[in-house]
Amino acid sequence: DAKTTQPPSMDCAEGRAANLPCNHSTISGNEYVYWYRQIHSQGPQYIIHGLKNNETNEMASLIITEDRKSSTLILPHATLRDTAVYYCIVRIPPQGSGTYKYIFGTGTRLKVLA
Amino acid sequence: GAVVSQHPSWVICKSGTSVKIECRSLDFQATTMFWYRQFPKQSLMLMATSNEGSKATYEQGVEKDKFLINHASLTLSTLTVTSAHPEDSSFYICSARERGNYNEQFFGPGTRLTVL
Repeated sequence: DAKTTQPPSMDCAEGRAANLPCNHSTISGNEYVYWYRQIHSQGPQYIIHGLKNNETNEMASLIITEDRKSSTLILPHATLRDTAVYYCIVRIPPQGSGTYKYIFGTGTRLKVLA
Repeated sequence: GAVVSQHPSWVICKSGTSVKIECRSLDFQATTMFWYRQFPKQSLMLMATSNEGSKATYEQGVEKDKFLINHASLTLSTLTVTSAHPEDSSFYICSARERGNYNEQFFGPGTRLTVL
């Protein structure tokens, strides 16, 4: 079962900041939050990840609440090419002899408007 | 960055036939590869995890005899959909994790399977 919930869709004006929320209220202390995006009929593209602290890279910023129950992905200046489905993912640590796994949520379809 | 390819990008087959999909890491060694399935307008669902040289681990509800996974080398994993039926039509996506890198999975472009 998905451990994240996201709004199904959002619109954002080109050039403005896009703030995409994600709830992960059942996240455990050692589970990371990852964000990927998927442009139509392509494989997902990595954006950013974090555990407790806020993170920033050339693509986006990730703000994680202090209780870690939710996070927000921020695209500072959205462009038309940022139109995609954005997935907030919890990375599950290995169980037994397994390995880290991604559990995808349902994603947010972001449409950037000209 | 690390590149993962899939072949074919799309395939159409008749019901009852088997289809093999390849996933390759082009510029890194992938000790672990993952196979996902995605139905239209839905999220990615993890099907199985494969480690090089060992048997794949399937997620609950995924038939291992129907979806055969082989990860024979550090750069290649294959998914064979055996005796495909129309309900197997889907977008199949693989991802790969580089040796020693637990921070990121690199995804392939996906393979669209249509079973007539």
